[in-house]
Amino acid sequence: DAGVTQSPTHLIKTRGQQVTLRCSPISGHKSVSWYQQVLGQGPQFIFQYYEKEERGRGNFPDRFSARQFPNYSSELNVNALLLGDSALYLCASSLSNTGELFFGEGSRLTVL
Amino acid sequence: AQSVSQHNHHVILSEAASLELGCNYSYGGTVNLFWYVQYPGQHLQLLLKYFSGDPLVKGIKGFEAEFIKSKFSFNLRKPSVQWSDTAEYFCAVNAWSGGYQKVTFGTGTKLQVIP
Repeated sequence: DAGVTQSPTHLIKTRGQQVTLRCSPISGHKSVSWYQQVLGQGPQFIFQYYEKEERGRGNFPDRFSARQFPNYSSELNVNALLLGDSALYLCASSLSNTGELFFGEGSRLTVL
Repeated sequence: AQSVSQHNHHVILSEAASLELGCNYSYGGTVNLFWYVQYPGQHLQLLLKYFSGDPLVKGIKGFEAEFIKSKFSFNLRKPSVQWSDTAEYFCAVNAWSGGYQKVTFGTGTKLQVIP
């Protein structure tokens, strides 16, 4: 069975640019969450989507946005990139509301 | 706001030594508790989970964790570590926050097991 897939795996952008990260959940999982992991820290919650609706948002600026599609895949968009946005962006899907998450490999974003 | 504290940032052990990683959380309501592990070059994966019932839960690869409600703790243990346990370990809490359920992670503990 395919796990959570994310693309791209690595990307380099410059300050001010925009980036779109993509995630496909495990088949049958209707919830997708996005996390940011900076080196030396644990994953920080950005968004959760369930059945195409935003169910939660972490403490991130409005430059961060996301959406979920009818097939439950999801995109995370970050506008006006800052150096501090450099991080590993993790997508996780879940089957229920217990908090048990299944993670992808992540997209490593470097902002120069 | 809920938070998760992991007291050990970097732990170095010899093979066969016993392991205990501390985790405390701050949240007064009902929680689901998790330990996730990230092996070198791999993605985060679930090690064990606690929803309710027996506060001593067993996970994969001989790991176990004990939920002590009065101490808001969920410490991870393993009686005898192996070199293959070298990884980063994250404690996580799922709880209601601002009208929705959110999973909050600790800062992680890097475990290095020396052969």
